[in-house]
Amino acid sequence: AQKVTQAQTEISVVEKEDVTLDCVYETRDTTYYLFWYKQPPSGELVFLIRRNSFDEQNEISGRYSWNFQKSTSSFNFTITASQVVDSAVYFCALGSWGKLQFGAGTQVVVTP
Amino acid sequence: NAGVTQTPKFRVLKTGQSMTLLCAQDMNHEYMYWYRQDPGMGLRLIHYSVGEGTTAKGEVPDGYNVSRLKKQNFLLGLESAAPSQTSVYFCASTLVRAGELFFGEGSRLTVL
Repeated sequence: AQKVTQAQTEISVVEKEDVTLDCVYETRDTTYYLFWYKQPPSGELVFLIRRNSFDEQNEISGRYSWNFQKSTSSFNFTITASQVVDSAVYFCALGSWGKLQFGAGTQVVVTP
Repeated sequence: NAGVTQTPKFRVLKTGQSMTLLCAQDMNHEYMYWYRQDPGMGLRLIHYSVGEGTTAKGEVPDGYNVSRLKKQNFLLGLESAAPSQTSVYFCASTLVRAGELFFGEGSRLTVL
């Protein structure tokens, strides 16, 4: 069975601080995909990033970056120079073909 | 672009009543899904469909039925609603194996 653990329930930061969200996963699949989604207070789910299991290259996209380490089954996500609009619940997810296992989510609160 | 549209957005039911949630997507996606979101539990897959006329069970299918008579529509039915089915329901679709899910805005269902 697949499992995704987001140990951080809530993170509070002051604007412009960096925020790193942890995600640890378990799977027996050799090919899989990892995702991060954002759910702002308005409730919709917004896709942020995707990484496949055979590409461990870490990337930066604007203020977002991610660190995928297959050896430790971790897929951490960082927001650089946080802004109030980053306040949301962030979900890590694992799977493919749209059948995803989601973590419980991490609430990020950014205060001015 | 409408994307994924869910109706209704809100519904209150009494225990034992039935209802149907409708999901419509205009992106010509083959794959469609119903997830439920409960506090502290992330999203869990209820049922999914890999094409018109097909359906399959997800992680938490009990108490729900689905139908995919047309490619663009995916219906989720509750034959006899129970308070445990109080949740926010999200429909989603995707085009390919590695594709991100496109979510609807969610439907908040309360069963009294």
